[in-house]
Amino acid sequence: DAMVIQNPRYQVTQFGKPVTLSCSQTLNHNVMYWYQQKSSQAPKLLFHYYDKDFNNEADTPDNFQSRRPNTSFCFLDIRSPGLGDAAMYLCATSNGGQMTDTQYFGPGTRLTVL
Amino acid sequence: GQNIDQPTEMTATEGAIVQINCTYQTSGFNGLFWYQQHAGEAPTFLSYNVLDGLEEKGRFSSFLSRSKGYSYLLLKELQMKDSASYLCAALDSNYQLIWGAGTKLIIKP
Repeated sequence: DAMVIQNPRYQVTQFGKPVTLSCSQTLNHNVMYWYQQKSSQAPKLLFHYYDKDFNNEADTPDNFQSRRPNTSFCFLDIRSPGLGDAAMYLCATSNGGQMTDTQYFGPGTRLTVL
Repeated sequence: GQNIDQPTEMTATEGAIVQINCTYQTSGFNGLFWYQQHAGEAPTFLSYNVLDGLEEKGRFSSFLSRSKGYSYLLLKELQMKDSASYLCAALDSNYQLIWGAGTKLIIKP
C-alpha cells in the first residue's frame, strides 16, 4: 500500500545531542511537510518542500533543519535539542503543490529529550 | 490575527449523534479541512469544504458557512472507535493551513 513512513516511531535523545528523524513516502507526492505537535495542541508547520524548493516558516527556530535528497525521502535534523523540543513530529505529503490538496500524514515520531 | 476555535472536549454516547463546531478567523479563505487523530497517531483526512453547505460521507458529514466563518463535523451512529481528537484547519488567502487545537471526543457505552 502506498504510504508515508516515519522512523523511528519513538526517539529518545539527550539535551543538546543532535538527532535526525526520517520520513519516506511511496505516494510519489511532490510536496513534503514537517510538523511539530505538542500534547493537546495544534500541529505547527515547521517547513515544507515543493519538489526541491525549501520553504521555511518564519518562526521555525534555526535549531531545526531539513533535507530532501530525493522525492521519496525527507529528514528533520534537530541540531541541539532542548527540553522544549520534546513533541510528536509529523511528516505529511501532498500532490500538486496546492495547499487545497489533501495532506497525508505518517504515523509520527515521538521525541523525548532527557 | 488568525484563529481557529473549537471545543476542547466533548462526550457522547455510543449510537448517538454528535456535532463538533469550529469557527475560524483567517485573512482570506480557501477551504476548511477536518482531520481525525487517535491518541498517539497521525491525523487522517476526513473532509474538505470550500463551498457553503453540507457534504455527507457515510456516517460523517461536514458543513460550511463562509459568511459566518463556521463549520461543523457531524458524526452519526457513534462507535467506540470514533473516540479521537478532531482537528479543524482552515486555508487562508496565502494557502497557509491554520490548525485548531482539536476537539477530544469521548464515547461512552
